[in-house]
Amino acid sequence: DTGVSQDPRHKITKRGQNVTFRCDPISEHNRLYWYRQTLGQGPEFLTYFQNEAQLEKSRLLSDRFSAERPKGSFSTLEIQRTEQGDSAMYLCASSRLWTGERNTEAFFGQGTRLTVV
Amino acid sequence: DAKTTQPPSMDCAEGRAANLPCNHSTISGNEYVYWYRQIHSQGPQYIIHGLKNNETNEMASLIITEDRKSSTLILPHATLRDTAVYYCIAAIGGFKTIFGAGTRLFVKA
Repeated sequence: DTGVSQDPRHKITKRGQNVTFRCDPISEHNRLYWYRQTLGQGPEFLTYFQNEAQLEKSRLLSDRFSAERPKGSFSTLEIQRTEQGDSAMYLCASSRLWTGERNTEAFFGQGTRLTVV
Repeated sequence: DAKTTQPPSMDCAEGRAANLPCNHSTISGNEYVYWYRQIHSQGPQYIIHGLKNNETNEMASLIITEDRKSSTLILPHATLRDTAVYYCIAAIGGFKTIFGAGTRLFVKA
């Protein structure tokens, strides 16, 4: 088990460009979450998948953001026409399907730090 | 998910116990209390979680009050490497939540 992996770790882009981030969850984890974290704040939920189905989106997820998890394994988060306000750390987490039992903690990746200039 | 409230910062002497409080007065009966910590520029690290009973693992202990309206994370012998931001969240059915600003713990030599 190599943990949750995110790529790239850092991304600098010019305003107006599109960017795509990748997340590889822990294998056998059905659920995959995306969060955004700005300086001095905790992670904020953006969206999550159960297998390949995107089940919920936060209102923070504007229409410039899209996420996919095509085969229920890795996921991508794309931001189109980036704005300076998109500068943040984007975190991915995965967990087993929630059963209310002890083993349903979420594990986070190291994040992708996006800087829009 | 219930809102949680934590003090913005705390200090602790190295080798002493660090007791981090969390208020979750609106928690529902089936929501779990989770604790994570985040060291600068890294992703959050899972520490412990519980529902009603006190829990202990190799990292920490979690004490939940009988009315479940608050909890305390205990790091029994804090080290400098425990300096981090600690987040308390209440969750059921998934982690669709906003973590809040957490408690910044400074462990001092």
